[in-house]
Amino acid sequence: QVQLQESGPGLVKASETLSLTCTVSGGSISSYYWSWIRQPPGKGLEWIGYIYYSGSPNYNASLKSRVTISVDTSKNQFSLKLTSVTAADTAVYYCARGRHWNDFPDAFDIWGQGTMVTVSS
Amino acid sequence: QSVLTQPPSASGTPGQRVTISCSGSSSNIGSNYVYWYQQVPGTAPKLLIFRNNQRPSGVPDRFSGSKSGTSASLAISGLRSEDEADYYCAAWDDSLSALFGTGTKVTVL
Repeated sequence: QVQLQESGPGLVKASETLSLTCTVSGGSISSYYWSWIRQPPGKGLEWIGYIYYSGSPNYNASLKSRVTISVDTSKNQFSLKLTSVTAADTAVYYCARGRHWNDFPDAFDIWGQGTMVTVSS
Repeated sequence: QSVLTQPPSASGTPGQRVTISCSGSSSNIGSNYVYWYQQVPGTAPKLLIFRNNQRPSGVPDRFSGSKSGTSASLAISGLRSEDEADYYCAAWDDSLSALFGTGTKVTVL
C-alpha cells in the first residue's frame, strides 16, 4: 500500500530555511494533490500548502511569502522549503496525500508519520 | 488561527453516544464538503469521514458525519475506549485553502 515518509533536519537555526522531503512509496505520485501540514506541540493542525502532481502549488495565505512546495515525479518525492524560520515554526511536520473529487481537492487520505522540527535560537 | 470552531472537549462512558460540533462560515463549510480526522496522541491523523458523511473502508459505522448550513457534526455511537483521541473537522474554503478545526479531545470515562 502507499506509504509516505518525511525526511530532513530535526533542528534548524532561527532565520534559516527549513527543508523537508516526502518520499512516496508503493504507488505513483501522479493524479493526486500532495500537502504539507504541521502541528505545533500541544496545538492543532495547520495546512501549509499543496502541490498537484503536475506542478501547480497553492499555499496558506499566512505562510505564502515564506513557503515553496515542489514535486519531483522522477523520484516520487515532493518537498517543502520554509524560509526565515522562527520559534513559532517549531512543530511536527506531516506530508499527506490529497485525493481529488470533480477536479477539486478532497480528503487527506494517507499521512506520513510526521517529523519533529525544532527551531533554535 | 483556525476559523472552524469545535468544543475543546467531549466525554462519555462506554456505549454512550458522543457528538462533536464544527462551526464555520458560508465560504468554507457552507459551500464545501466537511472532513473529519481522528488523531491518537503521538500518531498521525487518520481520515474518519469524507465529503460530509462518507466513511473510508475500515472505519466502523459507529462513526457518522452530517452537515447543515455552516455547521457540521461528528457522532460516535457505542463509545469504546479506543475512541479516546483528538478529533478535527476540516473543510476547503473558496480559495482552495484547507482549514482545520480547533480540535476536540474525546475522553472515555
